[in-house]
Amino acid sequence: GAGVSQSPSNKVTEKGKDVELRCDPISGHTALYWYRQSLGQGLEFLIYFQGNSAPDKSGLPSDRFSAERTGGSVSTLTIQRTQQEDSAVYLCASSLEPPYSYNEQFFGPGTRLTVL
Amino acid sequence: AQKVTQAQTEISVVEKEDVTLDCVYETRDTTYYLFWYKQPPSGELVFLIRRNSFDEQNEISGRYSWNFQKSTSSFNFTITASQVVDSAVYFCALKNYGQNFVFGPGTRLSVLP
Repeated sequence: GAGVSQSPSNKVTEKGKDVELRCDPISGHTALYWYRQSLGQGLEFLIYFQGNSAPDKSGLPSDRFSAERTGGSVSTLTIQRTQQEDSAVYLCASSLEPPYSYNEQFFGPGTRLTVL
Repeated sequence: AQKVTQAQTEISVVEKEDVTLDCVYETRDTTYYLFWYKQPPSGELVFLIRRNSFDEQNEISGRYSWNFQKSTSSFNFTITASQVVDSAVYFCALKNYGQNFVFGPGTRLSVLP
């Protein structure tokens, strides 16, 4: 069975450009999370989806960041007018039924974003 | 508020040594789950274990064991006879009912040959 997939695996962009990062969760997983991990750091929560709605967007660092999920499946994280401090690995995770459950999250391989 | 602390930022051991990674959590809930994840150099986080707040039995899986103590709010992870392949960053996480996961900052373990 397929795990969580993310694309692209690496993205290099110039400051000021917009980027889109994609996440394909495990089939049937209703919950989807985005995290950011800067070099050598822990996981920074960005946003959580339950189905297509995002009940928790509290981690989005600024209004340049947005995310959507369609069909209860694929999610796209968009960063507008990228800045050098946006450089990080963006991780996506999915799980079966949170928040009202305790199922573990399954993580994708991440997208390494470099803003020059 | 929920919080997870992993006080050890980095640990280095020599192969075959035992090593314990500490995890201390804070929560006001009585029902919660604790998790450990491994992030090898390849980067993809791998789920290791889930433990609920009502089950304080220690768990052993091969060379891995976990010690859950509610009295000290700790969920420590021990690797026995460490191997080079155990080198990774290990994250402890907490989940309360109806809330998102809270991850600790991680402990980077280096096992030297």
